[in-house]
Amino acid sequence: AQKVTQAQTEISVVEKEDVTLDCVYETRDTTYYLFWYKQPPSGELVFLIRRNSFDEQNEISGRYSWNFQKSTSSFNFTITASQVVDSAVYFCALSDDYKLSFGAGTTVTVRA
Amino acid sequence: EAGVAQSPRYKIIEKRQSVAFWCNPISGHATLYWYQQILGQGPKLLIQFQNNGVVDDSQLPKDRFSAERLKGVDSTLKIQPAKLEDSAVYLCASSNGGGGYTEAFFGQGTRLTVV
Repeated sequence: AQKVTQAQTEISVVEKEDVTLDCVYETRDTTYYLFWYKQPPSGELVFLIRRNSFDEQNEISGRYSWNFQKSTSSFNFTITASQVVDSAVYFCALSDDYKLSFGAGTTVTVRA
Repeated sequence: EAGVAQSPRYKIIEKRQSVAFWCNPISGHATLYWYQQILGQGPKLLIQFQNNGVVDDSQLPKDRFSAERLKGVDSTLKIQPAKLEDSAVYLCASSNGGGGYTEAFFGQGTRLTVV
């Protein structure tokens, strides 16, 4: 069975600080996909990034970067130089075979 | 490109009443999901369709919840009769891949309050 754990419930930072969100997953499959989604106060889940299990190369996209480590089953996400608009709930998600499962989410509050 | 449309946005009903939610996915997307998101929790998959066939409904409380996808496009989710614990946001999502490798696009959700 697949499982996604986000141990951090809430994170509060001051604007321009970096924020790193932790995600640990469990799956029996060798082929799977990991995602990060953002849910702003409006409620709509917004896709941010995707990584497949065969590509451990870490990347940076604008102010977002991610660190995928298969050895520790972790898929951490970093927002660099946070802004107030980054305040939202962030969800890590795992898709193996066909089912997309979400973690419990981490609430990020960025204070001006 | 139009996004995933859901209606209504909000619904308040009394327990034991019935309610239905509607979802129109992004055009051409074969996969449609219904999720239940209870306040403070992550979305929980209720049912997943691939075209008009059910791929997974293992977490759907089938004694009270039902869903259908008409002609592989629009979908409705029904609750009958509703219980207090059904109070949640019901999210519809769609994707153009059935293998789980493509991102899902979500609607704004329907917030259900059962009193």
